[in-house]
Amino acid sequence: QSALTQPRSVSGSPGQSVTISCTGTRSDIGGFNYVSWYQQHPGKAPKLMIYDVTKRPSGVPDRFSGSKSGNTAALTISGLQAEDEADYYCCSYAGRYTYVFGSGTKVTVL
Amino acid sequence: EVQLVQSGAEVKKPGESLKISCKGSGYSFTNYWIVWVRQMPGKGLEWMGIIHPGDSDIRYSPSFQGQVTISADKSISTAYLQWSRLRASDTAVYYCARQNWYDYNYAFDIWGQGTMVTVSS
Repeated sequence: QSALTQPRSVSGSPGQSVTISCTGTRSDIGGFNYVSWYQQHPGKAPKLMIYDVTKRPSGVPDRFSGSKSGNTAALTISGLQAEDEADYYCCSYAGRYTYVFGSGTKVTVL
Repeated sequence: EVQLVQSGAEVKKPGESLKISCKGSGYSFTNYWIVWVRQMPGKGLEWMGIIHPGDSDIRYSPSFQGQVTISADKSISTAYLQWSRLRASDTAVYYCARQNWYDYNYAFDIWGQGTMVTVSS
């Protein structure tokens, strides 16, 4: 089980949109519609932002959206805000109650 | 309030054993899987394994199989992660999290605060 591949960093100005990609294989992202995304601020525990590829838990702003095509999932943050500056991790179900996380992406708000 | 509360930070020497805990409250602990996640200093999240406290069904990541032991005591709503012989490379923050099948399918909605484990001679 290798980590899913994410860009090390992305950046954008307030109000802009940024997209984080997450590339896996047919055994994980490509095989299941169970990709989730987590936001982690420094020194804090991760927070669930997206589940089932596109769904947002209650309380997560609608500027966060998810998508998937083939073996690649993506998280888009529209209308970037200062508080969105954090690390973001994708995670995919990989069958038989196993999971794999992405390598993580640092989002910087310029 | 639904929460997972983890045991406190640990400082150990190489070769020592350790067991850290994750106590659930505010929900039916036996009905949800608990996962363990490692985060080494300055690094990303790594999925270690998962346990169903109701029947102690356990799955390990191949990377951690044989390196750690996951267990649970449903009578006290607590999951555990343990090492028999720690190494310096085990230095990390360890998180437990709840997999909420009922609301979020294969996603982790509640996280513990993390336990920092430092292994140094």
